[in-house]
Amino acid sequence: GQQVMQIPQYQHVQEGEDFTTYCNSSTTLSNIQWYKQRPGGHPVFLIQLVKSGEVKKQKRLTFQFGEAKKNSSLHITATQTTDVGTYFCAGSGNQFYFGTGTSLTVIP
Amino acid sequence: GAVVSQHPSRVICKSGTSVKIECRSLDFQATTMFWYRQFPKQSLMLMATSNEGSKATYEQGVEKDKFLINHASLTLSTLTVTSAHPEDSSFYICSARAPDRDYEQYFGPGTRLTVT
Repeated sequence: GQQVMQIPQYQHVQEGEDFTTYCNSSTTLSNIQWYKQRPGGHPVFLIQLVKSGEVKKQKRLTFQFGEAKKNSSLHITATQTTDVGTYFCAGSGNQFYFGTGTSLTVIP
Repeated sequence: GAVVSQHPSRVICKSGTSVKIECRSLDFQATTMFWYRQFPKQSLMLMATSNEGSKATYEQGVEKDKFLINHASLTLSTLTVTSAHPEDSSFYICSARAPDRDYEQYFGPGTRLTVT
């Protein structure tokens, strides 16, 4: 069945360093969404990408959708302690699946 | 922005009893709501899609007779865990799709269910 995997599972960075999480699907996706979940909180929608090769930016966050629409990435430039949380991708293919998530810890 | 509430936030019940969890969209009407389950430090697993006025669509492997979903109005969906067992203990989260944003989901704060 369809699977959406993310790497890495955990990432510890020093404040100010960059961070990237990668999302890979076993099947082609019609779109990809990204969510952030703070510890103890619920997922919050960040963005949706639809087009092949699409790149979108939100301040220090850069989102990319692969040409084959099977992978995506989220890059954070110069991380801050407020970036702490788990980042999930979620893709629509045959069904809607959340990725396995990447837990980001930012060390002040 | 769109707000989704869940009630209760935490519930402890004994094995064999049933528990109802409510999901409400507070400031918008949601024709579609989703129910997820999340185990500690794991991803969200979609359990079912709830459509107002019709039967819910369950994901493969989710027992519809055990997890009863009712979407009686455009602002309320309920999930009832029937004959709960300790393995049903989990974090249950609902989300609702806003009418003018056909892809964005707004999540509720979640319900922590513990079955003893």
